[in-house]
Amino acid sequence: TQLLEQSPQFLSIQEGENLTVYCNSSSVFSSLQWYRQEPGEGPVLLVTVVTGGEVKKLKRLTFQFGDARKDSSLHITAAQPGDTGLYLCAATAPNNNDMRFGAGTRLTVKP
Amino acid sequence: EAQVTQNPRYLITVTGKKLTVTCSQNMNHEYMSWYRQDPGLGLRQIYYSMNVEVTDKGDVPEGYKVSRKEKRNFPLILESPSPNQTSLYFCASSLLEGMETQYFGPGTRLLVL
Repeated sequence: TQLLEQSPQFLSIQEGENLTVYCNSSSVFSSLQWYRQEPGEGPVLLVTVVTGGEVKKLKRLTFQFGDARKDSSLHITAAQPGDTGLYLCAATAPNNNDMRFGAGTRLTVKP
Repeated sequence: EAQVTQNPRYLITVTGKKLTVTCSQNMNHEYMSWYRQDPGLGLRQIYYSMNVEVTDKGDVPEGYKVSRKEKRNFPLILESPSPNQTSLYFCASSLLEGMETQYFGPGTRLLVL
């Protein structure tokens, strides 16, 4: 059982569409991170959220951390083919030094 | 250029033949860790190190060893590899654990026959 559940597992959309992917858990986290991974490469950090209810924007990407710090969402507006990749959420529990990753959402944006 | 390097990038070996995957970072980071990535399971942490001579088990440490004799290097050792260790391995480093940005290496794809 994954500590962090990501949904959907796969998502294929047309260029220009909006989408939201989710990262959920029953545990409370001190911080949560979103990464994007492209084929043949390691994950690259997009954002870190720390405060419950926090919203961060990175161009067309909007990240939200749930009020209870148990879940997060990533919303992409007007998706582009360059957004294609595997989106991973990762979190560290309070008083814990190891980082846990979700299984990821594989996004394909078709031109 | 700030980076995490791993070697080799690809490796095919046979069951029981000891191997080492090297990891090196040039950012003077304290925290380093090893992950394996498998389809449907995401990244699972194998071992991590908070600093030189300090290592701890992650989620899936069985069958692996690590060492941290120097700050920049964090090799992953498979004493007796088995086919269930066939996977994609990533090394990562950051200034500190938790909220800090983790920088990942390019990955090592291992096949154990």
